[in-house]
Amino acid sequence: EDKVVQSPLSLVVHEGDTVTLNCSYEVTNFRSLLWYKQEKKAPTFLFMLTSSGIEKKSGRLSSILDKKELFSILNITATQTGDSAIYLCAVENNDMRFGAGTRLTVKP
Amino acid sequence: DAGVIQSPRHEVTEMGQEVTLRCKPISGHNSLFWYRQTMMRGLELLIYFNNNVPIDDSGMPEDRFSAKMPNASFSTLKIQPSEPRDSAVYFCASSFGGGARGYTFGSGTRLTVV
Repeated sequence: EDKVVQSPLSLVVHEGDTVTLNCSYEVTNFRSLLWYKQEKKAPTFLFMLTSSGIEKKSGRLSSILDKKELFSILNITATQTGDSAIYLCAVENNDMRFGAGTRLTVKP
Repeated sequence: DAGVIQSPRHEVTEMGQEVTLRCKPISGHNSLFWYRQTMMRGLELLIYFNNNVPIDDSGMPEDRFSAKMPNASFSTLKIQPSEPRDSAVYFCASSFGGGARGYTFGSGTRLTVV
């Protein structure tokens, strides 16, 4: 059975901290791994990763994929209260399957 | 493009009633996904369609749940009879070719069964 597992399930940090969110997967016919941020409504797209070892960066957020060990990490540096959200990892194979998410709370 | 359109945005119903959730995918997308999101279980894939045909419905929790896609521009998710444990946010998403290409979520329907 295909699995996408995220950790930790929740995380509370203070502004300025750096956080690392984890996503491991076991799927057949892997095509890509995606990260989403969900605040009050629908998830919004952050990154799509298809190749191992190539870091994707957007401002304070970055992500990398390891296809040998079957995991990805999402890093957020110098966190701000606006980073508080649920961060979802999804794996594309024949469909799109999501992990349960990491709920990040950034305190002032 | 208006994106993926879901209706209603909110639904409150009594236990035992039938509930129908609706989704209009992005024009030209040929894959449609229904998800349920709860605090306990996260975002679960219920069913997905490719070219209007259900491909995998293994995530549909019980026979009380059914989904249809009569044409390329419309899908429904029906719960009959509804139960309080069905309370969740239901998302629809669409894409090209079943995967991540053009993948877009709707705004979701928040269902409360009392």
